[in-house]
Amino acid sequence: AQTVTQSQPEMSVQEAETVTLSCTYDTSESDYYLFWYKQPPSRQMILVIRQEAYKQQNATENRFSVNFQKAAKSFSLKISDSQLGDAAMYFCAYQQGGSEKLVFGKGTKLTVNP
Amino acid sequence: SAVISQKPSRDICQRGTSLTIQCQVDSQVTMMFWYRQQPGQSLTLIATANQGSEATYESGFVIDKFPISRPNLTFSTLTVSNMSPEDSSIYLCSGLRGSGEQFFGPGTRLTVL
Repeated sequence: AQTVTQSQPEMSVQEAETVTLSCTYDTSESDYYLFWYKQPPSRQMILVIRQEAYKQQNATENRFSVNFQKAAKSFSLKISDSQLGDAAMYFCAYQQGGSEKLVFGKGTKLTVNP
Repeated sequence: SAVISQKPSRDICQRGTSLTIQCQVDSQVTMMFWYRQQPGQSLTLIATANQGSEATYESGFVIDKFPISRPNLTFSTLTVSNMSPEDSSIYLCSGLRGSGEQFFGPGTRLTVL
């Protein structure tokens, strides 16, 4: 079974600085998707960014970008120019191609210090 | 963008009782799911809600404990039956768009005494 590991239970960053959240996954499949979701204290899960495994180019969404290392099965999230509103739990998730099920990591709690 | 609402947003229940959680999507989705998020934990998929037929449950979850209905494309319910304190969790529903994006409702925080 596929597993997703987030080795950093908590991270903190100063406002306007850059932070990187780590995620590794285990799969024998070649067709899959990876996601980062944000869950603020309001509990609403919000999709931050999505990466298709077949794409070599790293996905970016404004201040959010990923470093996708397929051979290493690593999928880290970089948040640039951190803002107070970025404070949340961040979950890395895996989806096998052809399946709609998401497998989540345990999450990383990000604190942004003013 | 599509919106998912859930009712109730939170509830406190006595052990042995049941609670039904409703999930409404404001536009059609191809699939709907129910997740459980235990305190301080990640999300675990309970089941896929199938329109007009029995839900597909993940390992460790059974229909008698978590009956699910999906009478149409935009509405689903999850019932937590014969509750115990171990069922205290956040329950989230999600919908899958044709684009492949899965988006989530705000969750229902359940406390069982």
